[in-house]
This record gives sequence, structure tokens and C-alpha cells, in this order.
Amino acid sequence: QLQLQESGPGLVKPSETLSLTCGVSGGSISRNDCYWGWIRQPPGRGLEWIGSSHYTGRTFYNPSLKDRVSVSVDTSTNHYSLKLSFVTAADTAVYYCARRSSMDGRPVIDYWGQGTLVTVSS
Amino acid sequence: IVLTQSPGTLSLSPGERATLSCRASQSVSSSDIVWYQQKPGQAPRLLIYGASSRATGIPDRFSGSGSGTDFTLTINRLEPEDFAVYHCQHYSWSLITFGPGTRLEIK
Repeated sequence: QLQLQESGPGLVKPSETLSLTCGVSGGSISRNDCYWGWIRQPPGRGLEWIGSSHYTGRTFYNPSLKDRVSVSVDTSTNHYSLKLSFVTAADTAVYYCARRSSMDGRPVIDYWGQGTLVTVSS
Repeated sequence: IVLTQSPGTLSLSPGERATLSCRASQSVSSSDIVWYQQKPGQAPRLLIYGASSRATGIPDRFSGSGSGTDFTLTINRLEPEDFAVYHCQHYSWSLITFGPGTRLEIK
């Protein structure tokens, strides 16, 4: 059974860089049919996709965040990471790592981490 | 693509039928519409993909339908564990968009 687990600081200061890591266990991160991504949810609000990366390095980002975000995959450790720079209070959210795969040729997010709350505050 | 979900909150009793709407700002392929269920303090769970296919382990009281710009998640005979927030989602090749969610609460 695939499992994803987020790790990283729960508190980040404004203007600094938010850095999170997602550990993937129970399966390889080097799958051609999967993208590894991040999704966030501000308290009491809806879901927002941040970005996704293939193990080959191909990445896609939310246009509203693309100037501040980077997602990268490390096949040697079966982890992938998120960096979000110049954070503000608006970046306070639960951050989920999640796997995009496909079912019957249709895209799905089929595995999620448990989520980690990141608060931006001085 | 902008997704709009209605109603924002739906209050029903166990045993009733829930009908949740997801509307896209322009016509989309039904293959790219997905529904998730999220309970408090938990990550979302995949319910329906390709607009109408149930994911593994999802009870048959959950069904999805729709095409073009209008998609519907129907839950027949509501069980107590069905009261949660439901999110619709659209994929393009390079972009993922979520709707704002519908909260299904016990009346």
C-alpha cells in the first residue's frame, strides 16, 4: 500500500521560503504514469493545486504561484519536495502531498498524505 | 477553467438523496472531471473519476453524471458517514482546478 508523508517546519516567517518534503513508501517514485504534487487548503477554505512533477523533471505549476514555487523529485531517496518563496500570511494552509495517476486512462489523485499545517507568522 | 459548485451547503437527513452540482466555465471533457469527499481533519478521498466511474471501494449509492459544463454527484439513501465536504476537480494536461466545495450537513 502506497503511503505519502509530509514533513517540514510548521511555522515560517513572512518573506521567507516554505520548504516541505514528501516521503513516498510502499512504491517507487520513478513511475512513468505518475506525477507527484502538492495541494493546499487554507483553514476553512477549498483546495488549491500548487504544482506537480514527474520523476524525469517535467513540472507543471499553478499560474498564480509559478513565480514562487518549485517542485522537485529525488529518485535516490524516494522523496519529493516543495519550495514556496516570499511567503505571506495568505500562504497559511494545510499542505498535502498527493500522487496523480490514472484509472482507465483518466487522471485522478489517488493517494494523499495526511497533510501538514504551515503557518506564516513572525 | 473555473469550477462553481452549488449549493454551498446542503442540509439533509439520513436516508434522503443528495444532489450536488459542479459547473465549469466552459465545456470540458467528462473524462477530466473528478469528485472527492473530505471529512474534517482528513485528506480528500477519491470518489468518482471520469465524471461517472466509481473508484475502488466506493459504495454504489454514489453516482456521477454530466457532460459539457454541468456535472452532478448524486448520493442515494444518505448514510451518517456521508456527511462531509465534496469537491469537484478538473484536469487539463498542465493544470488542475478545484471547485470551492459543497458542505453536506445533517439536518
